[in-house]
Amino acid sequence: QSALTQPASVSGSPGQSITISCTGTSSDIGGYNYISWYQQHPGKAPKLMIYDVSDRPSGVSNRFSGSKSGNTASLTISGLQAEDEADYYCSSYTSSNSLVFGTGTKVTVL
Amino acid sequence: QVQLQESGPGLVKPSETLSLTCTVSGYSISSGYYWGWIRQPPGKGLEWIGSIYHSGSTYYNPPLKSRVTISVDTSKNQFSLKLKSVNAADTAVYFCARSSRAADGNCFQQWGQGTLVTVSS
Repeated sequence: QSALTQPASVSGSPGQSITISCTGTSSDIGGYNYISWYQQHPGKAPKLMIYDVSDRPSGVSNRFSGSKSGNTASLTISGLQAEDEADYYCSSYTSSNSLVFGTGTKVTVL
Repeated sequence: QVQLQESGPGLVKPSETLSLTCTVSGYSISSGYYWGWIRQPPGKGLEWIGSIYHSGSTYYNPPLKSRVTISVDTSKNQFSLKLKSVNAADTAVYFCARSSRAADGNCFQQWGQGTLVTVSS
């Protein structure tokens, strides 16, 4: 199964909003609302930021929000901060009863 | 607070079997949740390997299914990964993780720190 498609990089200035897309198919993103987003700093384990398309785990800033339209999911970071600079990965449940991750997006805070 | 720790050889020869164990503390595996393995080749993205439910039901990534076995040892509060017939493409940091909800394994909230496994002769 192919990885979900994300832009390789996205950048923004402090305080700005950025959006990361995650494109799949009707067999994954389009077919289910089990879409998650992870933040990963260098050398660290991933951190769950969003689950079930738009829900935030306890302790995750409300500057992070998720959405979905058709076969594409999106993660928006508002009020961009230096600490948001990291790699971000989407993930989706699939029709094969498996999970697939996105290709990853490097977020740079200018 | 649940904590996970991966352990196992850092170097495996080509064609041999990679074996890793994840030791869980702060929570009893037999009480529930899905427990998974995810890997990340150096400089690359994440790849889900598979998951096991506390009851022992397993779910594997289709491309890896023929080579992967995930098992659980509730007496030691551990779960394990075996990946056979490894090659250089299996070189990666391997993470173990616990699902965010007891009812499904669709995302992972608790992660181990990861362990690097290199496949080389």
